[in-house]
Amino acid sequence: DVKVTQSSRYLVKRTGEKVFLECVQDMDHENMFWYRQDPGLGLRLIYFSYDVKMKEKGDIPEGYSVSREKKERFSLILESASTNQTSMYLCASSFVSAGGLAKNIQYFGAGTRLSVL
Amino acid sequence: DQQVKQNSPSLSVQEGRISILNCDYTNSMFDYFLWYKKYPAEGPTFLISISSIKDKNEDGRFTVFLNKSAKHLSLHIVPSQPGDSAVYFCAVIYNNNDMRFGAGTRLTVKP
Repeated sequence: DVKVTQSSRYLVKRTGEKVFLECVQDMDHENMFWYRQDPGLGLRLIYFSYDVKMKEKGDIPEGYSVSREKKERFSLILESASTNQTSMYLCASSFVSAGGLAKNIQYFGAGTRLSVL
Repeated sequence: DQQVKQNSPSLSVQEGRISILNCDYTNSMFDYFLWYKKYPAEGPTFLISISSIKDKNEDGRFTVFLNKSAKHLSLHIVPSQPGDSAVYFCAVIYNNNDMRFGAGTRLTVKP
């Protein structure tokens, strides 16, 4: 079974703090993703990575950065947390597939619920 | 600009009946469509998918229909069971890797 592990289920931080969210996958997937989930907005892509040390901005990268030093680990960084970053954060990973019905299915971690006070 | 829209935030059905969840998309170039299910306090899990070269894909109680001319995707669950109660997200893949999700529909199946 694919396993995507997010280091914390719940986090409470103060405004202005630097926050690290960690994600590890054990399936040797090339692609890793960070999303945030908010009511009525679904899952919105923050950043993704196709390979080690590679990163691409998603739809809402402002206020976030990422790090991928090893293939299995993808970190999301909030440089200076703000209250509007209170959300559920979801990490996902996938293969780069040549095609077929299993193409690029993403596997998700259980999520980190972050509260910024 | 929402590329994937799920216009019904919630749906309630009786156990044993059919659940139909709908999804509309804007770009005719999208080529792969998926449904995910999410229980509270868990990450989304893949449910079923369909390629743009097909109009139907079936897996047990779950069937996904694709109407390319209408840019419309639907998920049918027959018969619905209480354990199907969850939030369902439709998603599209383009550029071979990028996935975009709808806002989700909360399905409640009443015993």
